[in-house]
Amino acid sequence: IAGITQAPTSQILAAGRRMTLRCTQDMRHNAMYWYRQDLGLGLRLIHYSNTAGTTGKGEVPDGYSVSRANTDDFPLTLASAVPSQTSVYFCASSRLAGSSYNEQFFGPGTRLTVL
Amino acid sequence: DQQVKQNSPSLSVQEGRISILNCDYTNSMFDYFLWYKKYPAEGPTFLISISSIKDKNEDGRFTVFLNKSAKHLSLHIVPSQPGDSAVYFCAGGDTGNQFYFGTGTSLTVIP
Repeated sequence: IAGITQAPTSQILAAGRRMTLRCTQDMRHNAMYWYRQDLGLGLRLIHYSNTAGTTGKGEVPDGYSVSRANTDDFPLTLASAVPSQTSVYFCASSRLAGSSYNEQFFGPGTRLTVL
Repeated sequence: DQQVKQNSPSLSVQEGRISILNCDYTNSMFDYFLWYKKYPAEGPTFLISISSIKDKNEDGRFTVFLNKSAKHLSLHIVPSQPGDSAVYFCAGGDTGNQFYFGTGTSLTVIP
């Protein structure tokens, strides 16, 4: 593993089903993030974690939950998927928490379609 | 409400010429700005950054200019190459935990 990996690469999901998107980083970064990318809206932050054991809400957290049991993993869960959650989801990490002077590294993304 | 705006969805430039991508922001508390490049089916990759204490940062063919009074930044690519064809996102952030991204500009460099 080098950098950030995400799984699955893509998924088609029936509305109402539960889904967990996986994210793992091997850079020992403290902070991790989940974004969704939608046409015309750019990248929007869903949830973030400054360090293992802590999480916070971003710009569009409703319908999503996260956990950060250890440094490397940051799964994103949709408890009951709805069609508006159809999007491309990107996980990212940064060495430090907080945004100043702190670039984020992105995973390859998960394309999710909710029918 | 978009705090970071990229008003040009697309831009086409001849190879060897200058590409100028623009970005405007509304939050005067932003103190750090990033530009990311994204190829299809890949995650965004970091390109260049600038802090609010500077008005210019240069890295090879890429230069970012910041005009704080106008709340405007721009990315210059000189000379443009076909491999630069991608979607470019700008992002701004303050001392909190969140970066706000623009909607992206798709750059096509014509050989």
